[in-house]
Amino acid sequence: AQKITQTQPGMFVQEKEAVTLDCTYDTSDPSYGLFWYKQPSSGEMIFLIYQGSYDQQNATEGRYSLNFQKARKSANLVISASQLGDSAMYFCAMREEKGAQKLVFGQGTRLTINP
Amino acid sequence: DARVTQTPRHKVTEMGQEVTMRCQPILGHNTVFWYRQTMMQGLELLAYFRNRAPLDDSGMPKDRFSAEMPDATLATLKIQPSEPRDSAVYFCASGFSGTYNEQFFGPGTRLTVL
Repeated sequence: AQKITQTQPGMFVQEKEAVTLDCTYDTSDPSYGLFWYKQPSSGEMIFLIYQGSYDQQNATEGRYSLNFQKARKSANLVISASQLGDSAMYFCAMREEKGAQKLVFGQGTRLTINP
Repeated sequence: DARVTQTPRHKVTEMGQEVTMRCQPILGHNTVFWYRQTMMQGLELLAYFRNRAPLDDSGMPKDRFSAEMPDATLATLKIQPSEPRDSAVYFCASGFSGTYNEQFFGPGTRLTVL
């Protein structure tokens, strides 16, 4: 069963606009973590932001914030004031405490920022 | 600036040949993961080590793939014999167990099997 779902294969956004990348997850484990990674065309995987299932507040890291809605099992990534360098693939991932700590990834969203 | 390193970065080989990929985790990390990325399957876990012991290799084809950690500074992923369907980018990642800290990924090895 799909554990991480990213429903947007591709998104096009104008520079300087905010963008929301969707991610929903499925787990019965009460303790888990949610991650977002960026993969630019060079191929490396860059960690962006983390949200723990028990965290009371939404995580923020600079221009990145995670809109965590636990009841809806969603963990959307919000990028404020988008820049051309934000063009990349973005992956949502989950790690369950009982799951040997491996990351399970979604299929990714390709974000293109237009000048 | 601590990084996970992987060698080689690119490998082109012929079907049937042995391929060995190497990973040096970040010093002090006690977990190492091997992931494979393809267009069709996306990112999938192949193997996972904690304190050098293999804990999960259920994602790895056992007949041709093997993963080891001969010491804390080296993890290897071997394919013998290689097949065209093994063509992919292979990532190594390291981190700490017991916390929800991020896994740090290496730059990947792009493998092409002809």
